[in-house]
Amino acid sequence: QSALTQPPSASGSPGQSVTISCTGTSSDVGGYNYVSWYQQRPGEAPKLVIYEVTNRPSGVPDRFSGSKSGNTASLTVSGLQAEDEADYYCSSYAGSSNYVFGTGTTVTVL
Amino acid sequence: QVQMVQSGAEVKNSGASVKVSCRASGYSFTSNYIHWVRQAPGQGLEWMGFVIPRAGSAKYAQKFQDRVTMTRDTSTNTVYMELSSLRSEDTAVYYCARGWGGNSFDPWGQGTLVTVSS
Repeated sequence: QSALTQPPSASGSPGQSVTISCTGTSSDVGGYNYVSWYQQRPGEAPKLVIYEVTNRPSGVPDRFSGSKSGNTASLTVSGLQAEDEADYYCSSYAGSSNYVFGTGTTVTVL
Repeated sequence: QVQMVQSGAEVKNSGASVKVSCRASGYSFTSNYIHWVRQAPGQGLEWMGFVIPRAGSAKYAQKFQDRVTMTRDTSTNTVYMELSSLRSEDTAVYYCARGWGGNSFDPWGQGTLVTVSS
């Protein structure tokens, strides 16, 4: 199972939006609506910010949104804040009780 | 609140085994799968497998099939991940995470650093 492909980095100024892509195949991202996104700040454990492509867990700001088209999922962070600076990882169910993560994207707030 | 609390850091010699624990609290232990994910220094996340607390069975990623064993103890709401034949490439932070809605992982344990020295 190959890792999902994410851009290594993304950036934006405070108040702007940044969108991160997550590209897989029809066997993972494209085959199921089970894409989730995680925020990982330095030295911390990952934190769930989006599940089932578009859903936000309780407590996650509505600045975080998710979408999917074909084999590519996306996470958009609107109204960027300094606290959003972190690594972001996507994950997808890959069938037969397997899971796969993305390569990770470092978001920098300029 | 739901919490996953892991055991402390380990240092092992190459070829040895390591067993990491993860104690769950704040929810019904047998209601959710518990996954293990690792992260090598400066690298991304890698899914290793999960244990089904209700049944005691487990599913492993193919890469780890021959070296990993995941178990649970329902009397203490604890799951264990044992990795054998350790090599330097196994140096990583190992996380447990509860399986949640839509095949996601939430919350995560604080992580356990396993260092393999040759």
